[in-house]
Amino acid sequence: QKEVEQNSGPLSVPEGAIASLNCTYSDRGSQSFFWYRQYSGKSPELIMFIYSNGDKEDGRFTAQLNKASQYVSLLIRDSQPSDSATYLCAVRFRTGGGNKLTFGTGTQLKVEL
Amino acid sequence: DVKVTQSSRYLVKRTGEKVFLECVQDMDHENMFWYRQDPGLGLRLIYFSYDVKMKEKGDIPEGYSVSREKKERFSLILESASTNQTSMYLCASSQTGPSYEQYFGPGTRLTVT
Repeated sequence: QKEVEQNSGPLSVPEGAIASLNCTYSDRGSQSFFWYRQYSGKSPELIMFIYSNGDKEDGRFTAQLNKASQYVSLLIRDSQPSDSATYLCAVRFRTGGGNKLTFGTGTQLKVEL
Repeated sequence: DVKVTQSSRYLVKRTGEKVFLECVQDMDHENMFWYRQDPGLGLRLIYFSYDVKMKEKGDIPEGYSVSREKKERFSLILESASTNQTSMYLCASSQTGPSYEQYFGPGTRLTVT
């Protein structure tokens, strides 16, 4: 069973701080990795994806991938109350058709004033 | 802009009823997916389809069936609804390729009484 693991949280950070969200996955040959944000009562929306080792930055968000250690992380700089949401890590495994993604259970982030 | 729509936001059905959930996407995506989302369990894949009339079981297909007669439309069918199928149902679509994300519809909150 291919797995994606996340700490459920809640992770609480003060406004303006850096939030660090982590995700580990079971298949070393996994192809690509996605971070989604989900507000309460809403559907997931893509923040960013990464498929090469290293860092990828997009505005206040940085995704970090370490394939040797099988983890991917999301850093949110200058956290804002509007960042309070559940963050889902999704992995496209090496096998399986149809562009399937396997999702973690999500980490709840709370940004406090 | 990709748009994925679902036929209902909220639905209440009785035990034993046959339930149809409809999903339509307007971006000519090959792949479509049905998930259910429950607290603490995350997003779980029920079925997916990678082409018209083609379907594959996901992780939790029991009690569900699907239909894809046209590329833009993917239907989830609960043959005989049960209370344990009360959940949030999310439809998604994507193009084929490792870097393509899934786009989600707004979700249908189904309650079976």
